[in-house]
Amino acid sequence: AQSVAQPEDQVNVAEGNPLTVKCTYSVSGNPYLFWYVQYPNRGLQFLLKYITGDNLVKGSYGFEAEFNKSQTSFHLKKPSALVSDSALYFCAVRDMGGNNRLAFGKGNQVVVIP
Amino acid sequence: DAGVIQSPRHEVTEMGQEVTLRCKPISGHNSLFWYRQTMMRGLELLIYFNNNVPIDDSGMPEDRFSAKMPNASFSTLKIQPSEPRDSAVYFCASSLFEGGVEQYFGPGTRLTVT
Repeated sequence: AQSVAQPEDQVNVAEGNPLTVKCTYSVSGNPYLFWYVQYPNRGLQFLLKYITGDNLVKGSYGFEAEFNKSQTSFHLKKPSALVSDSALYFCAVRDMGGNNRLAFGKGNQVVVIP
Repeated sequence: DAGVIQSPRHEVTEMGQEVTLRCKPISGHNSLFWYRQTMMRGLELLIYFNNNVPIDDSGMPEDRFSAKMPNASFSTLKIQPSEPRDSAVYFCASSLFEGGVEQYFGPGTRLTVT
């Protein structure tokens, strides 16, 4: 079964510093990988995805993520965090050959300190 | 595009009452997903449909929960009778079935059962 691990509950970072949110995955075949962000009292909002091709994927709001097949990781990064990046971040995976349900991680709360 | 539409946005009801949550997916999308989010359990997939057909309802917690998708533009999630432990935010999401396509989430329905 496909699954995602987001090992940290909360990530604290000072404004202007690099932000990294970690994600590792497990699937039986090749993965489709996604990152979503959730602001308070809102639905999940798609940030970026890896399907195939370049391992470095760029998405919305200056975020990027790097697919690492050997480490089964898909960490989310932003070179310079903003206070407005404070939110809950979810990593998700689906098996390329399987059905189209996503397995979500538990989410990471990101707090950007002014 | 109006995005995924959910109604009501907030619902407060008494234990034992029937609750019906509604979802209108994005036009042209052929997959629809119902999720529940709580602090304790995080984001849980309840059921999903492909081409209006329920594919996996293993996440539906009890027989008190039922979901229907009578046509491509409308789905309901019903709880009867409701219990306080059903209090949560319920999200609907839609996507295309094919390939590594992201899911688009609605704003959610915040359900409170007293």
